[in-house]
Amino acid sequence: AQSVTQLGSHVSVSEGALVLLRCNYSSSVPPYLFWYVQYPNQGLQLLLKYTTGATLVKGINGFEAEFKKSETSFHLTKPSAHMSDAAEYFCAVSEFNNDMRFGAGTRLTVKP
Amino acid sequence: GAVVSQHPSWVICKSGTSVKIECRSLDFQATTMFWYRQFPKQSLMLMATSNEGSKATYEQGVEKDKFLINHASLTLSTLTVTSAHPEDSSFYICSARDGGRSANTEAFFGQGTRLTVV
Repeated sequence: AQSVTQLGSHVSVSEGALVLLRCNYSSSVPPYLFWYVQYPNQGLQLLLKYTTGATLVKGINGFEAEFKKSETSFHLTKPSAHMSDAAEYFCAVSEFNNDMRFGAGTRLTVKP
Repeated sequence: GAVVSQHPSWVICKSGTSVKIECRSLDFQATTMFWYRQFPKQSLMLMATSNEGSKATYEQGVEKDKFLINHASLTLSTLTVTSAHPEDSSFYICSARDGGRSANTEAFFGQGTRLTVV
């Protein structure tokens, strides 16, 4: 069964600094990979997804992620952090038409 | 993107009573819906998968008699927490797949329901 591991339950960066949130996956077939953001007491908002094709995926709010099959990774990055980026981020993996499995989440804190 | 509406957004109930949470796909037909549970500062744990017109498939360790799932139509799934107890207090989130897309890869999430059992 598919699974994801998010390295680092908490990441803290300064405003304007690079954001890097790590995600590694395990899947027996080519996976679909997702990054979601969650604000307190709210549902999940899709940032970006990888299905097939270009391995560098651009999402909303300036985020992007690169699918690296050789490293089984799908790390999320943003060149310059903004205060509004502070939230919980979840990496998820899905195999076609199967359910979605989530990582443990990474809480991003942005310091002024 | 497609919209999934979850209701209520929060509910407080007395121990021993039952609570129903609704999950609706507003602009697409959801052949498959998923129910997740999220404890504070933790990840989403899949509880069950429901397909329209058939019985839900529950994950290991989830009591099917306690968490009743009904997916009677292509736009509505309900989760009923029966005889709720304080340990059932949690954040419940539903998601739905658009069955109309030929190569659907994304599930759309509801806003979540905060259940507090007192």
